[in-house]
Amino acid sequence: EIVMTQSPATLSVSPGERVTLSCRASQSVSNKLAWYQQKPGQAPRLLIYDASTRATDIPARFSGSGSGTEFTLTISSLQSEDSAVYHCQRYNAWWTFGQGTKVEIK
Amino acid sequence: QVQLVESGGGVVQTGGSLRLSCEASGFAFSNCVMYWVRQAPGKGLEWVAVIWADGGTKHYTDSVKGRFTISRDNSKNTLYVQMNTLRADDTAVYYCAKEVGPGTGAFDLWGRGTMVTVS
Repeated sequence: EIVMTQSPATLSVSPGERVTLSCRASQSVSNKLAWYQQKPGQAPRLLIYDASTRATDIPARFSGSGSGTEFTLTISSLQSEDSAVYHCQRYNAWWTFGQGTKVEIK
Repeated sequence: QVQLVESGGGVVQTGGSLRLSCEASGFAFSNCVMYWVRQAPGKGLEWVAVIWADGGTKHYTDSVKGRFTISRDNSKNTLYVQMNTLRADDTAVYYCAKEVGPGTGAFDLWGRGTMVTVS
């Protein structure tokens, strides 16, 4: 079974700063990797799929990169509304999520 | 309006059963692969089950095999999951979700979720 590991677990960042979140797969998932944003009490929201394709209506400050086993979600300039938990998910053959990274605003 | 609306959650005793429903609207439900995903309190997301558009193919995560059954009624635009022999570790918010595109496996539409508590 492929395990998805996200780091760090929590990140505290000031508005306007660049944020980089990591997701590592225990085996290659090619580019079958998605990123989601989840705010308290809400369903997840798709940000990125196929490792680097932004979903509909997602702001350009969100970008994804990587392939194989190493993936990154970058928020180029953090906004206050970006405070959330971010999940990565692989979907090659099966569907597995990482444990999430919580982004807090300083 | 494009949306998914789950219902059927509640409190059930260990060993009991529950059926969740997910009503779809605003898109071609009968053409879409559909999923159930759950999230235990304070935990991450876990894929539970998937059903192909025609209902002919179904897959389950190991922990629910033999206990959960996913199904759909394309004439009613509704997805279901029958949950039997429920355990405490099935306690979670259950979401239904659809793929962003055929065969992608990334979920671009989620319901608001329905809470299942097993005690």
